[in-house]
Amino acid sequence: DVKVTQSSRYLVKRTGEKVFLECVQDMDHENMFWYRQDPGLGLRLIYFSYDVKMKEKGDIPEGYSVSREKKERFSLILESASTNQTSMYLCASSAGWGEKLFFGSGTQLSVL
Amino acid sequence: QKEVEQNSGPLSVPEGAIASLNCTYSDRGSQSFFWYRQYSGKSPELIMFIYSNGDKEDGRFTAQLNKASQYVSLLIRDSQPSDSATYLCAVLPYSSASKIIFGSGTRLSIRP
Repeated sequence: DVKVTQSSRYLVKRTGEKVFLECVQDMDHENMFWYRQDPGLGLRLIYFSYDVKMKEKGDIPEGYSVSREKKERFSLILESASTNQTSMYLCASSAGWGEKLFFGSGTQLSVL
Repeated sequence: QKEVEQNSGPLSVPEGAIASLNCTYSDRGSQSFFWYRQYSGKSPELIMFIYSNGDKEDGRFTAQLNKASQYVSLLIRDSQPSDSATYLCAVLPYSSASKIIFGSGTRLSIRP
């Protein structure tokens, strides 16, 4: 069975902290994505990656960076967490462009 | 204008009736269209995808696409309480072949 695993289900951090969100997929997928989901705004794309060490900005990349050193792992980094980054973060992967997205279970991040 | 628009609901439908969920999109050249279901506190899961004009049926679900009107819908026949969830419309726009754009979702409630 396909699996996308996010390292934490809930996280509480302080303003200004550096935050790492980890995502691992076991399907050998080329593409990986980070979304955030906020009430009334749906899913918004932060960053995506189509290959190891390759990354592209999504619609709301400000305040975030990503790392993909291995094909199966895609990390989202909040360089200096702020309260407006409190959100549900969802990682996803797909075998190719326009293909079905497989989502992780999400990380609910609270920045105090 | 949002790229993908949905009525946020909630849409309340009696058990056994047909639930009709609608979505409009702005990029006329969009080629791929998806419906994801998201239960409260869970991550989205794909239930239908459609690429061509017309209807596509899968069990109790039917996706309908009208590219001329830039409109895609999801019909759920014989609605069950287990269908109560938020339904996300997603579109792969021609302008950005790598980024699936999500609507904000329609909350569906099936009343017994």
